[in-house]
Amino acid sequence: NSKVIQTPRYLVKGQGQKAKMRCIPEKGHPVVFWYQQNKNNEFKFLINFQNQEVLQQIDMTEKRFSAECPSNSPCSLEIQSSEAGDSALYLCASSLAGRNTEVFFGKGTRLTVV
Amino acid sequence: GDSVTQTEGLVTLTKGLPVMLNCTYQTTYSPFLFWYVQHLNEAPKLLLKSSTDNKRTEHQGFYATLHKSSSSFHLQKSSVQLSDSALYFCALSDTLQGGRALIFGTGTTVSVSP
Repeated sequence: NSKVIQTPRYLVKGQGQKAKMRCIPEKGHPVVFWYQQNKNNEFKFLINFQNQEVLQQIDMTEKRFSAECPSNSPCSLEIQSSEAGDSALYLCASSLAGRNTEVFFGKGTRLTVV
Repeated sequence: GDSVTQTEGLVTLTKGLPVMLNCTYQTTYSPFLFWYVQHLNEAPKLLLKSSTDNKRTEHQGFYATLHKSSSSFHLQKSSVQLSDSALYFCALSDTLQGGRALIFGTGTTVSVSP
């Protein structure tokens, strides 16, 4: 069973509303990733953190997306003003630091923007 | 830039038959390749990984060999089961540093019938 916990599993928002999802990485994992998986099952990398600091991030269009990974609190991904095209499965994953380490995924938050 | 190509979008076959899912990659660095499997409504899970040229790696009846000469890491199984029906992703670790995002292929859906 996945030890990366994502909440909520399902999220429905109207266009223009904020959407926030959370992730508790596996204990002891300093690296956290957020991916967006679209309806065609394609993965799009969004952002990752190592020990609360951003390692990489895409150019989040119009700054609508924000994420943080504070110490001793769940990580979060927030969309400030949801659009229909944001409807997707948002996957959080975590790993140890190191290039050949396994990345463990959560089950995801399925966002539907109506 | 670095990329991963999976040529089959959907593979349908009957239980007991062999399967091969193609994966080729492009990278300027020494490659680390992964296969992930995602069952319906479940988290993606690591199936296989390799960075060693021409060495077969196996897990749960699946196997793959990294061939740097042809930039390939095809996934195979000799006899598929109904439970193998899932989405399979090939992924590449793209830099020399740890903690960096994986680059995923577009995925192959495997559907096994009785």
